[in-house]
Amino acid sequence: SQQGEEDPQALSIQEGENATMNCSYKTSINNLQWYRQNSGRGLVHLILIRSNEREKHSGRLRVTLDTSKKSSSLLITASRAADTVSYFCATDSYGQNFVFGPGTRLSVLP
Amino acid sequence: DAGVTQSPTHLIKTRGQHVTLRCSPISGHKSVSWYQQVLGQGPQFIFQYYEKEERGRGNFPDRFSARQFPNYSSELNVNALLLGDSALYLCASSPGLEEAFFGQGTRLTVV
Repeated sequence: SQQGEEDPQALSIQEGENATMNCSYKTSINNLQWYRQNSGRGLVHLILIRSNEREKHSGRLRVTLDTSKKSSSLLITASRAADTVSYFCATDSYGQNFVFGPGTRLSVLP
Repeated sequence: DAGVTQSPTHLIKTRGQHVTLRCSPISGHKSVSWYQQVLGQGPQFIFQYYEKEERGRGNFPDRFSARQFPNYSSELNVNALLLGDSALYLCASSPGLEEAFFGQGTRLTVV
């Protein structure tokens, strides 16, 4: 079974709005990573946050990690049409394989 | 710099056949992992190799095997293909055991 679980499964917003998606996991992790994927193509790495970090920023992206709640959130600010892809969180449990959730499909409407 | 390259990009095979998928990691990366992604789902871990040794294996049948070569490139082999093996197969390379960089994948269709 997949450890990471993104929420919501699908999200539609207007261009310029902020998009927030969440990821919950079940066991202790070393780090958590967010990826984006456009229509069944390769995954593009967005950001990595380690278990001892609480927040990281990269451009329009902001990721938070709450290890006590075993959850993470990805915030995309000022969304654009090009942000219309699927987003996945992946957890890494101390050198083990990455465990991906089912993803959130984001639609940014003009 | 070249990213992770996978070949072929698309492949159609018949049930019962064998397939070999190839992956070249980013230069300097010693870890290669393979994932299977069925339509509408997240990637599922198949194998991880580091320095040519298997470091992890996911919950896949023995029909799936892999290896890593001295130049750190890797092959994923699947025997006795089933319809359910139709998926996007992704290869990822890492300099160590953290951040992973993915290739564009091989789309395998079994008919």
